[in-house]
Amino acid sequence: ETGVTQTPRHLVMGMTNKKSLKCEQHLGHNAMYWYKQSAKKPLELMFVYSLEERVENNSVPSRFSPECPNSSHLFLHLHTLQPEDSALYLCASSQEVGGREQFFGPGTRLTVL
Amino acid sequence: DAKTTQPPSMDCAEGRAANLPCNHSTISGNEYVYWYRQIHSQGPQYIIHGLKNNETNEMASLIITEDRKSSTLILPHATLRDTAVYYCIVGNFGNEKLTFGTGTRLTIIP
Repeated sequence: ETGVTQTPRHLVMGMTNKKSLKCEQHLGHNAMYWYKQSAKKPLELMFVYSLEERVENNSVPSRFSPECPNSSHLFLHLHTLQPEDSALYLCASSQEVGGREQFFGPGTRLTVL
Repeated sequence: DAKTTQPPSMDCAEGRAANLPCNHSTISGNEYVYWYRQIHSQGPQYIIHGLKNNETNEMASLIITEDRKSSTLILPHATLRDTAVYYCIVGNFGNEKLTFGTGTRLTIIP
């Protein structure tokens, strides 16, 4: 238990669906991150938020839309995804942006049909 | 950010010390060395980090060479639960981009 929770843990969706991934951290951290981990590829940083403000958008397609309503919650809204977007989506938090230790959630395993 | 080179896989007998090497020959003076691991079906877990001195915590020890071009993560008494992919990362403290490579898949053999 890292103090970072993600829901759902597994998600199957069609290409025309709209869904959202949720992340919550109970650590009092100010920075939150979304990563994507595809099969046999390194983790890719997608988005970084510091105190609810987006500070990094790593050339992510617009079909992925992040939202950070407060420093404890982070969402990733998904729409019109492609099968190649199937991956493990990981949320992490740290005390500050670039903090030495990032705490990761268990991830959401997403399958796009 | 400097890049790292790690062996793709290693085996270690249970109860023995696991020594995981990492080369980072292009590391710059203000870049730290971080180690994370990822157990199957879980998110990555921070292990340890260092700048130039050797570091030790309850999980592992980090040995950094004097020229800082390589380092070794040591798990002193490996258990089956240490089977995971271990990532060596270099980056600036305060830089949000921790760039994960492909890591070393460590398998602890009973």
